[in-house]
Amino acid sequence: DTAVSQTPKYLVTQMGNDKSIKCEQNLGHDTMYWYKQDSKKFLKIMFSYNNKELIINETVPNRFSPKSPDKAHLNLHINSLELGDSAVYFCASSQASGQRNSPLHFGNGTRLTVT
Amino acid sequence: DAKTTQPNSMESNEEEPVHLPCNHSTISGTDYIHWYRQLPSQGPEYVIHGLTSNVNNRMASLAIAEDRKSSTLILHRATLRDAAVYYCILRNNNAGNMLTFGGGTRLMVKP
Repeated sequence: DTAVSQTPKYLVTQMGNDKSIKCEQNLGHDTMYWYKQDSKKFLKIMFSYNNKELIINETVPNRFSPKSPDKAHLNLHINSLELGDSAVYFCASSQASGQRNSPLHFGNGTRLTVT
Repeated sequence: DAKTTQPNSMESNEEEPVHLPCNHSTISGTDYIHWYRQLPSQGPEYVIHGLTSNVNNRMASLAIAEDRKSSTLILHRATLRDAAVYYCILRNNNAGNMLTFGGGTRLMVKP
């Protein structure tokens, strides 16, 4: 069973479009995250979310918004897509309790290409 | 989060041990040392973590210096499948429980 799954695996779209990437975890974790990995391979945190709070990396444009229908899902919505949004997006999850001691589990990524 | 410093890349021969170093001279007393790796075309994968004592698991060993200002991830017998980027990260109780990745070490394993 896949612990953290993302769909779609590949997403090709045009500038200006709005798109969503879905993420589901079956680990019973209560914190989920979105990371962006650009062409230079740097992994940057975008959001951290549990049922109590959303923490946003201040560098993330407000065109990006996470939406969580329930504890097991954290979807990423992107409005007005730009060329610079092309990247691989990773979803992850962990337990909030004992946070320093709890590993993150990552999905296999969604490669977004904006043309 | 406190910063870590790792070599950009390292090479190893297959079936030999690999020692991946990490410096974290500004580590605080409550920071855990985490290691992740990212295989090509995959998401990061948890490897091991520790606080003060050396740690072993089925994937690797983690040796932590007595002053905690450095650590070493040890792969006892490198395989071709271990070729990946290895990240050393300090984890504390920051807001949002977020993990901040640096540049990591690209490990190349030669047959």
